[in-house]
Amino acid sequence: GAGVSQSPSNKVTEKGKDVELRCDPISGHTALYWYRQSLGQGLEFLIYFQGNSAPDKSGLPSDRFSAERTGGSVSTLTIQRTQQEDSAVYLCASSKTSGVNTGELFFGEGSRLTVL
Amino acid sequence: EDQVTQSPEALRLQEGESSSLNCSYTVSGLRGLFWYRQDPGKGPEFLFTLYSAGEEKEKERLKATLTKKESFLHITAPKPEDSATYLCAVFYTGGFKTIFGAGTRLFVKA
Repeated sequence: GAGVSQSPSNKVTEKGKDVELRCDPISGHTALYWYRQSLGQGLEFLIYFQGNSAPDKSGLPSDRFSAERTGGSVSTLTIQRTQQEDSAVYLCASSKTSGVNTGELFFGEGSRLTVL
Repeated sequence: EDQVTQSPEALRLQEGESSSLNCSYTVSGLRGLFWYRQDPGKGPEFLFTLYSAGEEKEKERLKATLTKKESFLHITAPKPEDSATYLCAVFYTGGFKTIFGAGTRLFVKA
């Protein structure tokens, strides 16, 4: 596609349920990030996939959060046993370069998660 | 601790009133500093990349500059359509990832 695509755009779930958020990056982009943005706040780093290297998971807030990137393309962020504090917008971004030459990021529109 | 700090948190300007936003960073091995614009309900949109101290980039009413410890985003004669949140980010070899500041919310009144 022309840009980074995220789905769903909105998700309302009950506390304790699991959710999956999907990101389709721009074709050919080797780097992929997930960020979390709470209302009125900046972007909190969650996880970074860089080509075939092991992902940097240092930003995941707890073991309820996990992410995969299959075939170097589509990524899924999974949140298990959701809590109300997980409510936020989850943003995915990709970049055509990675490593020390990482360039600008191209963002999707985000997935807004609301945990009741 | 590796971090990016932006100031002010919010800035209210009259149309035509020039000002500057600040981004200071404490990271090791800076490889690039980025400015993004974010409109409500949208993902951030790339504006500039700066790689080394002394570098400057311009786009319409915006000009970004970089020193060894901070960057400035200068807005000349802003218009209401410049109202948005401006985010600063850095990619650094100390962490090998891109991290963001909290942003500056800019409001330009006609």
